[in-house]
Amino acid sequence: DAKTTQPTSMDCAEGRAANLPCNHSTISGNEYVYWYRQIHSQGPQYIIHGLKNNETNEMASLIITEDRKSSTLILPHATLRDTAVYYCIVKESQGGKLIFGQGTELSVKP
Amino acid sequence: GAVVSQHPSRVICKSGTSVKIECRSLDFQATTMFWYRQFPKKSLMLMATSNEGSKATYEQGVEKDKFLINHASLTLSTLTVTSAHPEDSSFYICSAQLLGQYYEQYFGPGTRLTVT
Repeated sequence: DAKTTQPTSMDCAEGRAANLPCNHSTISGNEYVYWYRQIHSQGPQYIIHGLKNNETNEMASLIITEDRKSSTLILPHATLRDTAVYYCIVKESQGGKLIFGQGTELSVKP
Repeated sequence: GAVVSQHPSRVICKSGTSVKIECRSLDFQATTMFWYRQFPKKSLMLMATSNEGSKATYEQGVEKDKFLINHASLTLSTLTVTSAHPEDSSFYICSAQLLGQYYEQYFGPGTRLTVT
């Protein structure tokens, strides 16, 4: 079973920041938080991952709470092409399986 | 970046026939690949873990004799759906694990299988 809970769906206006929350209250000390997204009828795309520090790359920022029980993925300036299902997954860094939950369906609207 | 391909992208076959789907890591070697299936409007479900040179590890409830997995090289894994039935129609996606500090997985574009 997935170890994360996410809202089923969210809307965001084009050009605004999209903030996608994820709860992972049972995360263990050696587990990372990974984010993937899946655009309709395509394979999932890796976005970002982190352990306890906030992370940023060219796609997004990941904010992890101090107790590591929740995190937020931030798309700073959402575009229509960011419409997708976003999956938050916790996994050990070295190997291990990605177990997908239901994810959040993000709709970016003009 | 790491690129994973799948072939074919779409396939239609008749009930009772077998279908092979290929998953290739194009610019890196992958000792471990994973196979998922996805039904419409559902999440990805892990079917099996494919390890180069050894037998695949199947998730609970996945029939290993029906979904044959072969990982003969560090860049190729195949999934064969044997004696396909309409209920096997699905979107099949593979991923390849990049060895390194974080073992990221990179996904293929998926294969749409329709069994008539």
